[in-house]
Amino acid sequence: QQPVQSPQAVILREGEDAVINCSSSKALYSVHWYRQKHGEAPVFLMILLKGGEQKGHEKISASFNEKKQQSSLYLTASQLSYSGTYFCGTEVRAAGNKLTFGGGTRVLVKP
Amino acid sequence: EAGVAQSPRYKIIEKRQSVAFWCNPISGHATLYWYQQILGQGPKLLIQFQNNGVVDDSQLPKDRFSAERLKGVDSTLKIQPAKLEDSAVYLCASSSTSGSPKTQYFGPGTRLLVL
Repeated sequence: QQPVQSPQAVILREGEDAVINCSSSKALYSVHWYRQKHGEAPVFLMILLKGGEQKGHEKISASFNEKKQQSSLYLTASQLSYSGTYFCGTEVRAAGNKLTFGGGTRVLVKP
Repeated sequence: EAGVAQSPRYKIIEKRQSVAFWCNPISGHATLYWYQQILGQGPKLLIQFQNNGVVDDSQLPKDRFSAERLKGVDSTLKIQPAKLEDSAVYLCASSSTSGSPKTQYFGPGTRLLVL
């Protein structure tokens, strides 16, 4: 079963913040975040391991709440380059590094 | 370091025709994945190889899709015969076997349109 991402879409002004959530009904080993621009390949952002670890990439950070089986991606002081579709990919232990991707969150950052 | 290479980038075929896609992973990456991404959706895993062996092909429609990785490096995904619903982007990704968890790196994809 694929993880559920919310919101499905968000429109921001440059400099604003946003949060994208990724929830799973299964116990997760890791959560992988990617950004995909139109017509391009998904680009790796970061991996979160269970344990509530927080990581960052530029001004984008993420956390993993093991109790809720939920990861959140934080876009801080958004830039025009942050526009794209963000996907979370979830990994269940003993699944052989198999990722199941959510439906994506479309982000549009306007000047 | 060169990334994942895929060809062709675009393909248009008629339904019931056959088509093949090629992928060359990042050098040294033993694990290779083929994904199908339908417009507006996330990538869906079709098949995963480790070296030249299949790890997972549970979501591969085996009546029409086939994939091989004969020498444990590059791979080919084939569809025969194609259906209208196969229109999608076919993404190839690779990862190394060291470390855990393992990052998957994606190629640019092949955009398939079935008419």
